[in-house]
Amino acid sequence: GAVVSQHPSRVICKSGTSVKIECRSLDFQATTMFWYRQFPKQSLMLMATSNEGSKATYEQGVEKDKFLINHASLTLSTLTVTSAHPEDSSFYICSARKPQVVQSDTQYFGPGTRLTVL
Amino acid sequence: SQQGEEDPQALSIQEGENATMNCSYKTSINNLQWYRQNSGRGLVHLILIRSNEREKHSGRLRVTLDTSKKSSSLLITASRAADTASYFCATGGFKTIFGAGTRLFVKA
Repeated sequence: GAVVSQHPSRVICKSGTSVKIECRSLDFQATTMFWYRQFPKQSLMLMATSNEGSKATYEQGVEKDKFLINHASLTLSTLTVTSAHPEDSSFYICSARKPQVVQSDTQYFGPGTRLTVL
Repeated sequence: SQQGEEDPQALSIQEGENATMNCSYKTSINNLQWYRQNSGRGLVHLILIRSNEREKHSGRLRVTLDTSKKSSSLLITASRAADTASYFCATGGFKTIFGAGTRLFVKA
């Protein structure tokens, strides 16, 4: 199986600061990565699709200026939560799409990052 | 965005009993996947069933798919306390969209 890592696993920050979360595909190149947010006892909500070398595609209702996504290389996508507020506190999970000769829609999920904004 | 509902939202059973969770979705799919998530942890991929398949087994897991009804079910047989977790269905395509999830509690 493929491995996707996230860093940090937990972060606590003060309201108004920005926080960067990294998502790395460790043993494959991922042209596409996805960012999800999960509030307590709720499901994962897709926030955006991160495309290597181009702009991210955001889902409806997600503020692109607040959640900055950069996919500068084939193994790294970053999500920056700008001017974080307590309501941004959540579990953020990334996934990476593994390209294969035969399309299998296989995605590999990172372990998640728990963000707490005080 | 979410694909649809999962039923039940929460399920509490005794160890050894079977647990059945249902999932409905809204759009056409290439495949449907089931994941498990322990509290506050990452996702564990359980099983993938393709749109041209009707049933699939993996150990104590049995998944069915009815594309005419846009629904799927996950059966866990002979449940164990360690099966306590949240279970999500997710529709596959370019994006993976998750259902609302079922919280399963297995009492020892």
